[in-house]
Amino acid sequence: GAGVSQSPSNKVTEKGKDVELRCDPISGHTALYWYRQSLGQGLEFLIYFQGNSAPDKSGLPSDRFSAERTGGSVSTLTIQRTQQEDSAVYLCASSPDSDTQYFGPGTRLTVL
Amino acid sequence: AQRVTQPEKLLSVFKGAPVELKCNYSYSGSPELFWYVQYSRQRLQLLLRHISRESIKGFTADLNKGETSFHLKKPFAQEEDSAMYYCALSGRGGTDKLIFGTGTRLQVFP
Repeated sequence: GAGVSQSPSNKVTEKGKDVELRCDPISGHTALYWYRQSLGQGLEFLIYFQGNSAPDKSGLPSDRFSAERTGGSVSTLTIQRTQQEDSAVYLCASSPDSDTQYFGPGTRLTVL
Repeated sequence: AQRVTQPEKLLSVFKGAPVELKCNYSYSGSPELFWYVQYSRQRLQLLLRHISRESIKGFTADLNKGETSFHLKKPFAQEEDSAMYYCALSGRGGTDKLIFGTGTRLQVFP
């Protein structure tokens, strides 16, 4: 079946601009996660949505980062006023209850 | 503090040699431990998890609570094992956020 998909696959933006990254989880998966993969920091947790519960935002690095999950399905990660240190690969994962996390291909963000 | 440590950034071996990728963790409570693998140009995928106690692609990993370790082992490495390996932990049932180590790149030479 279809796996987790993310768009765009690559995004180049200028410092100070806002960007939106999209994640389509596997149908029926109640949990959705965002991670960031960067050279200096490895893989970092950003935010976690589980069903109708309040999201766990404990990994968001600053208030420039926010995420929404609409209708329990698609999620959008928004980065406002991008900085060069935001350059990374942003990974989305989804999971059914009590099971493995399935990762998407990632969005490579480059901030010039 | 919750932390996963992978001390080796790069591990290079020849085909047929044994492999051990080290992973140590720090966690208050009973975490669930995982190994994820990322092959070149592919997405991150689960290799194995400690509660399954299974062998995947010849790899095994035993959770040692006394040493807080979850080392990944394979007796005879293959060229197709070349990839980036990440050790990770989660707090409960695998549905909580994953805390990743910094990863070890395994290179298997012919």
